[in-house]
Amino acid sequence: EVQLVQSGAEVKKPGESLRISCKGSGYSFTNYWITWVRQMPGKGLEWMGRIDPSDSYSNYSPSFQGHVTISVDTSINTAYLQWSSLKASDTAMYYCVRAGSSRLDVWGKGTTVIVSS
Amino acid sequence: EIVLTQSPGTLSLSPGERATLSCRASQSVSSGHLAWYQQNPGQAPRLLIYGASTRATGIPDRFSGSGSGTDFSLTISRLEPEDSAVYYCQHYGRSPHTFGQGTKVEIK
Repeated sequence: EVQLVQSGAEVKKPGESLRISCKGSGYSFTNYWITWVRQMPGKGLEWMGRIDPSDSYSNYSPSFQGHVTISVDTSINTAYLQWSSLKASDTAMYYCVRAGSSRLDVWGKGTTVIVSS
Repeated sequence: EIVLTQSPGTLSLSPGERATLSCRASQSVSSGHLAWYQQNPGQAPRLLIYGASTRATGIPDRFSGSGSGTDFSLTISRLEPEDSAVYYCQHYGRSPHTFGQGTKVEIK
């Protein structure tokens, strides 16, 4: 079964760093881009950026460029989304998604991130 | 950046009725790289339609997509109670692959 398993919920303080993970299984991990999507409470979906695991090339939405970093470790079929300094406005659900021919065909269940002092 | 505008914001219909959702792009979407997703409350979205009109695996044939250029639509031919959800369009041509703001479909 093709699946993406995301790491558990996180509660952090403003200014802290964080890395969440997404482990792919059931398919050839390096053959598909991984995209990250944000959903703030009660709001819609936002495309954050993506990474090609075959060469670690990544690109970002201008709205997220410089605030998050997407990376990958192909030895363990895992992609990451990380922040160096969280803000309260980063409170959201974050989905990792497999991009088959760029369409988002397999979704993880999401990781809840709460940033509060 | 391509901006996608979905309408209406909310659609309230009875079971068996036909729902038509619109997605308009600020620029032409290359090669029909337009997808539709369904999100039920508390769940991750799922892919319904890609390439503007191709149903994803396992999607019932009451869901259909159409359009090209800047105007796209998703039609649900005969609404079922389980179709109550929020529907998003997304383009996946030139990056960033933006989403529309969503249309909520309510079943009376």
